[in-house]
Amino acid sequence: GENVEQHPSTLSVQEGDSAVIKCTYSDSASNYFPWYKQELGKRPQLIIDIRSNVGEKKDQRIAVTLNKTAKHFSLHITETQPEDSAVYFCRINKFYFGSGTKLNVKP
Amino acid sequence: EAGVVQSPRYKIIEKKQPVAFWCNPISGHNTLYWYRQNLGQGPELLIRYENEEAVDDSQLPKDRFSAERLKGVDSTLKIQPAELGDSAVYLCASSLVGRQGGEQYFGPGTRLTVT
Repeated sequence: GENVEQHPSTLSVQEGDSAVIKCTYSDSASNYFPWYKQELGKRPQLIIDIRSNVGEKKDQRIAVTLNKTAKHFSLHITETQPEDSAVYFCRINKFYFGSGTKLNVKP
Repeated sequence: EAGVVQSPRYKIIEKKQPVAFWCNPISGHNTLYWYRQNLGQGPELLIRYENEEAVDDSQLPKDRFSAERLKGVDSTLKIQPAELGDSAVYLCASSLVGRQGGEQYFGPGTRLTVT
């Protein structure tokens, strides 16, 4: 199957610290790796994505890194703020989502 | 540009009753997805359409769930009869392409409660 494992399931950081969430996948044919943010009671929204021809992509305080050899990709959030508190999901291939990471940023 | 529209936003029904959800994707998006999201979990695909054709429906419990996408635009998802375990948020999403590289846009979801 096309499994994706996401860790950790919960993450609590102090405001200003960094947060890292990792997804590991099994399908070596995967070539598109998006991350979604879902606030409580709201829809998942794409925050950043990466394609397999690059190893890293940044957008202000968020970044995604990809290691195709090891088959994992990670979401990095720097200088975290309380409004970053949400559940984050990775996705591989067309429609396989990770189980989610609940990020809590403490002010 | 309008986003993905879903209705109703909330639905409470008794078990064994039927229920239907409606989705209007972003104009021009040929691929439409129905997901189910249980509390604390990631979205799980129920069915994916490319235009009018259902191309991924292996996760759809076909004994009680059905879906259609007439004219390749709007879609409806039906459950009949509903069971207690069907309580979840049903999300519709659409994308321009169905390949791996498609950025999916989600609707607000329908929160179903079966009592």
